[in-house]
Amino acid sequence: GQQVMQIPQYQHVQEGEDFTTYCNSSTTLSNIQWYKQRPGGHPVFLIQLVKSGEVKKQKRLTFQFGEAKKNSSLHITATQTTDVGTYFCASRGMRFGAGTRLTVKP
Amino acid sequence: GAGVSQSPSNKVTEKGKDVELRCDPISGHTALYWYRQSLGQGLEFLIYFQGNSAPDKSGLPSDRFSAERTGGSVSTLTIQRTQQEDSAVYLCASSLATGRGSYEQYFGPGTRLTVT
Repeated sequence: GQQVMQIPQYQHVQEGEDFTTYCNSSTTLSNIQWYKQRPGGHPVFLIQLVKSGEVKKQKRLTFQFGEAKKNSSLHITATQTTDVGTYFCASRGMRFGAGTRLTVKP
Repeated sequence: GAGVSQSPSNKVTEKGKDVELRCDPISGHTALYWYRQSLGQGLEFLIYFQGNSAPDKSGLPSDRFSAERTGGSVSTLTIQRTQQEDSAVYLCASSLATGRGSYEQYFGPGTRLTVT
């Protein structure tokens, strides 16, 4: 249960451009977590969203949880080369989306 | 403090052999997860342990896969009669948990398994 679909699969941007990845579910999610995995590394926790309509910010990263708790997004403003990696959403901590792989051209 | 550790870091085995992968979670973490990640792919949930509760084995792909968690700490993932499609990175994670998936997971570095 609580499978999540993540789009896009890949995103290539020029440094300084914005980036958004989306996570969608057909069922209501109790919470959503976001992780970042650098190339060759392991996933690292970024944030957890629990409340309907919740918005959280971490510097250039903005996380949103939909009003119906069926979707979530991660937006990065003015990408930097350090943002390179794969971003995963996860429902109930165990069901991970397929991830969005971000590459940034300097 | 120490993070999640996994051993070995790399394992090459011949098709048909059994392998054991070990995970040492962060001390005090009651929840432990195993995942599999094929090259360039997402994380495939395998199994979840929470305290003394029966583990959630719903992600194990076949009966060749099994896992144990002894004393609520160290866990071992065993793959019997390995197949080439078992080649992947096996990731272990641990977390505090009062409810399933409610806390951030700390991942180990993974074990890269190659079946020849």
